[in-house]
Amino acid sequence: GENVEQHPSTLSVQEGDSAVIKCTYSDSASNYFPWYKQELGKRPQLIIDIRSNVGEKKDQRIAVTLNKTAKHFSLHITETQPEDSAVYFCAATNDYKLSFGAGTTVTVRA
Amino acid sequence: SAVISQKPSRDICQRGTSLTIQCQVDSQVTMMFWYRQQPGQSLTLIATANQGSEATYESGFVIDKFPISRPNLTFSTLTVSNMSPEDSSIYLCSVDFLGLGTQETQYFGPGTRLLVL
Repeated sequence: GENVEQHPSTLSVQEGDSAVIKCTYSDSASNYFPWYKQELGKRPQLIIDIRSNVGEKKDQRIAVTLNKTAKHFSLHITETQPEDSAVYFCAATNDYKLSFGAGTTVTVRA
Repeated sequence: SAVISQKPSRDICQRGTSLTIQCQVDSQVTMMFWYRQQPGQSLTLIATANQGSEATYESGFVIDKFPISRPNLTFSTLTVSNMSPEDSSIYLCSVDFLGLGTQETQYFGPGTRLLVL
């Protein structure tokens, strides 16, 4: 099955700086890569996703890049704000079953 | 996207008992899933709830422990049977976006926080 590794496990950034989270996957057949944000006590919420026919996707301050050859994808958050503090999960799938990374706890320092 | 609700939102149960969690969607969806999120951990897929047939379980999860029902396209239940403290987790249902069955995008319910004493 698919194995997704996520780094770092924790990330502390100064407000206004950028945050980068990286994930690698094992199954070369995986073709869909969503990112979820989970605030304390709340459900995971989809923030951005990318499919294998696209190398990069951006939505305001959030961007995701995909390198199929290297089997890794990354989440980039620019101009971080306190409300960006949360746990972020990457995931991968080649069917409907999502395999999640272990999560990254992002703390934005004011 | 669909509006997804779960009941109960939280519960405290005694070991050896069973709890049934409900997941309700406000529109018909093809795919419904059940996940477990242990404290401070990531999400792990328990099973895919199939309408009109038996659920498809992932490795490490069995029907006797986690029986699942899916009587229609908007509702599913997950039962945690013969509970032990190790079952203390958040249980989340998710559904596929737009209910097309071919999209991978999943949206999660609010979760059920279970504590087993």
